[in-house]
Amino acid sequence: AQSVTQLDSQVPVFEEAPVELRCNYSSSVSVYLFWYVQYPNQGLQLLLKYLSGSTLVKGINGFEAEFNKSQTSFHFRKPSVHISDTAEYFCAVSDKRGSARQLTFGSGTQLTVLP
Amino acid sequence: NAGVTQTPKFQVLKTGQSMTLQCAQDMNHEYMSWYRQDPGMGLRLIHYSVGAGITDQGEVPNGYNVSRSTTEDFPLRLLSAAPSQTSVYFCASSSDRGTTGTQYFGPGTRLLVL
Repeated sequence: AQSVTQLDSQVPVFEEAPVELRCNYSSSVSVYLFWYVQYPNQGLQLLLKYLSGSTLVKGINGFEAEFNKSQTSFHFRKPSVHISDTAEYFCAVSDKRGSARQLTFGSGTQLTVLP
Repeated sequence: NAGVTQTPKFQVLKTGQSMTLQCAQDMNHEYMSWYRQDPGMGLRLIHYSVGAGITDQGEVPNGYNVSRSTTEDFPLRLLSAAPSQTSVYFCASSSDRGTTGTQYFGPGTRLLVL
């Protein structure tokens, strides 16, 4: 079984400032790692995923996340945030061995970008 | 493509009532799943299906039933609603058999059980 801990439930940040959202996971097997975003009253959308290879994963709009196996972390970063980035962000993992896509989610981090 | 659609968007039930949450996808995805989202707890998997006629339990299956008679549809049934089932329910689908596939989420159904 896996578990995911998102270390901050709320992150307020001023527009154009950098932000890091922290995610740690626990698993006895190798996992795939994901970041999803949820805008108000909408479903979740995939932002980034780490499957293998380079530990730095880059997404659209300047988002990136870095996998650190020794620290079992997958922290999410953006060098300069915009008001439109205000949303809830979820880190998730899935078991590499499994034949079905059972995602285990963290509790979420509400990112609020202030003008 | 409409993607993943869910109906209804909102529902209020009384304790003991039953209802079915509908989920449909038009992407010919094999894998579909139901999650519930509660404040401070993220999303938790209720049931999932890897294809028509095949379903299995997730982390929190009690009080819910599912069936998968077609590739497109994956309804979630509440047999006897309880206040603890007040939540936001999301349906998701994914295309490939491995665990690497992106999951596509519907807009959610907000359920209040009185």
